[in-house]
Amino acid sequence: KAGVTQTPRYLIKTRGQQVTLSCSPISGHRSVSWYQQTPGQGLQFLFEYFSETQRNKGNFPGRFSGRQFSNSRSEMNVSTLELGDSALYLCASSLVGDPADEQFFGPGTRLTVL
Amino acid sequence: QKEVEQNSGPLSVPEGAIASLNCTYSDRGSQSFFWYRQYSGKSPELIMSIYSNGDKEDGRFTAQLNKASQYVSLLIRDSQPSDSATYLCASYDSARQLTFGSGTQLTVLP
Repeated sequence: KAGVTQTPRYLIKTRGQQVTLSCSPISGHRSVSWYQQTPGQGLQFLFEYFSETQRNKGNFPGRFSGRQFSNSRSEMNVSTLELGDSALYLCASSLVGDPADEQFFGPGTRLTVL
Repeated sequence: QKEVEQNSGPLSVPEGAIASLNCTYSDRGSQSFFWYRQYSGKSPELIMSIYSNGDKEDGRFTAQLNKASQYVSLLIRDSQPSDSATYLCASYDSARQLTFGSGTQLTVLP
């Protein structure tokens, strides 16, 4: 069974631009969560989508948004990029996002903001 | 603020020894707990999940959970140099979020 895939793997943008990252979950998984990982803050939860609805959101500004499509694929968007948005963005999928569900991570998208 | 605390290490053990990684969590409403391994430059890889008090064994790995003490641990038996990585503890908390600790860097010395 194919794992979680993320595209692109690397991205370089300049301040003020916007970016869209894509995530395809494991087949049959309907919950997709997004995380930001930085050396200073560690792994932080951004948001979770299930059945095309944002079900939960972490403590990030409104510049961070996402959506999920009917095939469970998900995108996240960051507008008006800031230098501090440079990070590894990870998505993880699980069956339905219940507490007992195990989340499996994709390889991540490394975003550099210049 | 729901927190998961881990000793950042680094933790060094000789090959063949037992590595013990510890984690505490602040949210008593946390229902499930996970250990991930992350190699440098890679994404986290799930090692173990544990949901009830006690021990859970999978190969060389044993996870232990004590909800009364809000404590989770991971033991790695017969440690190998390939186990050298950062180990992340995570709890699925009452906010329905997976909250991660900052990770413990483990080095297994040949």
